[in-house]
Amino acid sequence: AAGVIQSPRHLIKEKRETATLKCYPIPRHDTVYWYQQGPGQDPQFLISFYEKMQSDKGSIPDRFSAQQFSDYHSELNMSSLELGDSALYFCASSFGGNTEAFFGQGTRLTVV
Amino acid sequence: GENVEQHPSTLSVQEGDSAVIKCTYSDSASNYFPWYKQELGKGPQLIIDIRSNVGEKKDQRIAVTLNKTAKHFSLHITETQPEDSAVYFCAASRDTGFQKLVFGTGTRLLVSP
Repeated sequence: AAGVIQSPRHLIKEKRETATLKCYPIPRHDTVYWYQQGPGQDPQFLISFYEKMQSDKGSIPDRFSAQQFSDYHSELNMSSLELGDSALYFCASSFGGNTEAFFGQGTRLTVV
Repeated sequence: GENVEQHPSTLSVQEGDSAVIKCTYSDSASNYFPWYKQELGKGPQLIIDIRSNVGEKKDQRIAVTLNKTAKHFSLHITETQPEDSAVYFCAASRDTGFQKLVFGTGTRLLVSP
C-alpha cells in the first residue's frame, strides 16, 4: 500500500540558509500534519492543513512556513536556519481530521 | 493544553515475556489515544489505537486499555519477540477534527533472545 512520501530523506544546510521539505500524502488523504523530533525526544506538532487550508498550529517558529497545494502535497519552508533546527521532520497524513494519521519516514535535517 | 506522561522510559524483557507501558493524560476532552512504534531512523508506525467509548482493544499480541476516569491508558504486548524492540510512543488528541497529537516521552523496549 502507498505510504506517505517525504523528500529529501537527508539534508545538510549551513546556518542562516533556507530549506524546503516536501511531503506527499497517501492517495485520497486530504489532511497533512508536520512534526519535529529532536534527538531522543518525542515528536512535537508544528502545523496541519486540511483541504489546502491551515487547520491547526503548534510550536512552529515564525521562520518556518508551510502550505498545502491543490494536489494535497505539502511543503515546509524553513529560513534563517539555526543549529537547533537540526532534527527529524515528519509528515503525517489522514483522511479528514477524525481518522488515523500515518507518518512518513521523515527528513533528517542537519544544520552546520 | 494537553500533557502526556509515559512510563517507563526504558524496559528490558526476555523473549516471551509480557511488556506493559503506561501513559497518563491531563486533558479530559482528549478522546483518541494511538500508540506508535518507532524503529531507528524510521517514522512512527501506528500499531493500535483506542477511542474513549471503548475500554479495551486487542489485536493479536497487542492490547490497549483505557480508564477515562483515571485519565490513564496502557499498552500490553504479550509473547514479546526481539523484533518488538523499538521506541514506543503513546499519544492523545481531541478527536473532534484535525487531530493534533500530543506524544508521551517514549519507552525504549529491548527484548532479549
